[in-house]
Amino acid sequence: DAGITQSPRYKITETGRQVTLMCHQTWSHSYMFWYRQDLGHGLRLIYYSAAADITDKGEVPDGYVVSRSKTENFPLTLESATRSQTSVYFCASSETGLSYEQYFGPGTRLTVT
Amino acid sequence: KNQVEQSPQSLIILEGKNCTLQCNYTVSPFSNLRWYKQDTGRGPVSLTIMTFSENTKSNGRYTATLDADTKQSSLHITASQLSDSASYICVVSVLSGGYNKLIFGAGTRLAVHP
Repeated sequence: DAGITQSPRYKITETGRQVTLMCHQTWSHSYMFWYRQDLGHGLRLIYYSAAADITDKGEVPDGYVVSRSKTENFPLTLESATRSQTSVYFCASSETGLSYEQYFGPGTRLTVT
Repeated sequence: KNQVEQSPQSLIILEGKNCTLQCNYTVSPFSNLRWYKQDTGRGPVSLTIMTFSENTKSNGRYTATLDADTKQSSLHITASQLSDSASYICVVSVLSGGYNKLIFGAGTRLAVHP
């Protein structure tokens, strides 16, 4: 049972480059989410998706783009990476909505130099 | 402003001892409160979820309490083990803009020493 996986686990990129973080879940959950976690702060929601082809902004969406063509995949793209986007990114999925149990992936540590 | 504050920021205890972590929130309307455990380098894993009407919930050696009147929650860990070393995150779900939004605390980092 693979659950929810993220790739890559670690990524170093340069300012201005485009980078895509991948998220894949095997549960067929309707909802998927992207969060970022910064030292000393709680997780903050970037984008979420209620179903394939349905996405919506979270708390901190600027500088990020998402898509969801298939239920099981929810990639997050940084179109032009900035140093402020250095963070740990977590993908999560849920059977129902935001208030119900969310299952988190292992995270991607992204460093923008 | 909706906020979730946790204390202490960090805590060191000896193996076998008990400890209590605190969470205060200033959010409304409240939907539910949950505690997550996050091991270093891993994603958060849910320990408990409590609705407004529940004032205590246990998961093995973890017991969460909720006082909706004072907007406080605590997570009590009994007979700590080395594997309890992790960050513990308090999360409050609130109704915001027509959907349930999760407000995360910054977490309490617990270290259990032998």
